[in-house]
Amino acid sequence: DAKTTQPNSMESNEEEPVHLPCNHSTISGTDYIHWYRQLPSQGPEYVIHGLTSNVNNRMASLAIAEDRKSSTLILHRATLRDAAVYYCILRPLTSGTYKYIFGTGTRLKVLA
Amino acid sequence: DTEVTQTPKHLVMGMTNKKSLKCEQHMGHRAMYWYKQKAKKPPELMFVYSYEKLSINESVPSRFSPECPNSSLLNLHLHALQPEDSALYLCASSQGLVLAGVGDEQFFGPGTRLTVL
Repeated sequence: DAKTTQPNSMESNEEEPVHLPCNHSTISGTDYIHWYRQLPSQGPEYVIHGLTSNVNNRMASLAIAEDRKSSTLILHRATLRDAAVYYCILRPLTSGTYKYIFGTGTRLKVLA
Repeated sequence: DTEVTQTPKHLVMGMTNKKSLKCEQHMGHRAMYWYKQKAKKPPELMFVYSYEKLSINESVPSRFSPECPNSSLLNLHLHALQPEDSALYLCASSQGLVLAGVGDEQFFGPGTRLTVL
């Protein structure tokens, strides 16, 4: 199973953009890149996913390197509610059941 | 309703007790998952059910026994646990049997915090 590597922690000021990096140098051509976050005392929640092209949704943007060996989750304006652990996960291209292998995650601290 | 509910929120049990954790979803999802999460660690997959059948068991000790009585319910039966089994137990669900990238994200419940004395 391909693994991901993320910085243990990052800090950001409120209302500034945040770029959360993820390395996945052993990614296969059919692995999707998924991001989840886990707020304090809650289960993880889905943020965004992509395969090759950059993706945007209401929560964040995902920028994927051309060689797909790294990606960056972008929060455009961090708020205090964005303080969480952010996980980058590779999800194999398959139908049917699959398993997430969570990396160690990045703990994001947002400063008021 | 996009919620996964888990009961109880907290559970304290002795090593000789038998208890069960319950998970429920009403999103019509056909895949359900149990994860274990230790403090300050990422979630680790334990079991996956697809269409009420066990499809993945990550070599979990037999003192953990999963059950999926119907498509909305998932139980985790606990027996003769050890103190090192104390953790947050998370349940999740997803549509199941869909291709990657097509609405297959997992929805997680808030977890049951288990303490084994």
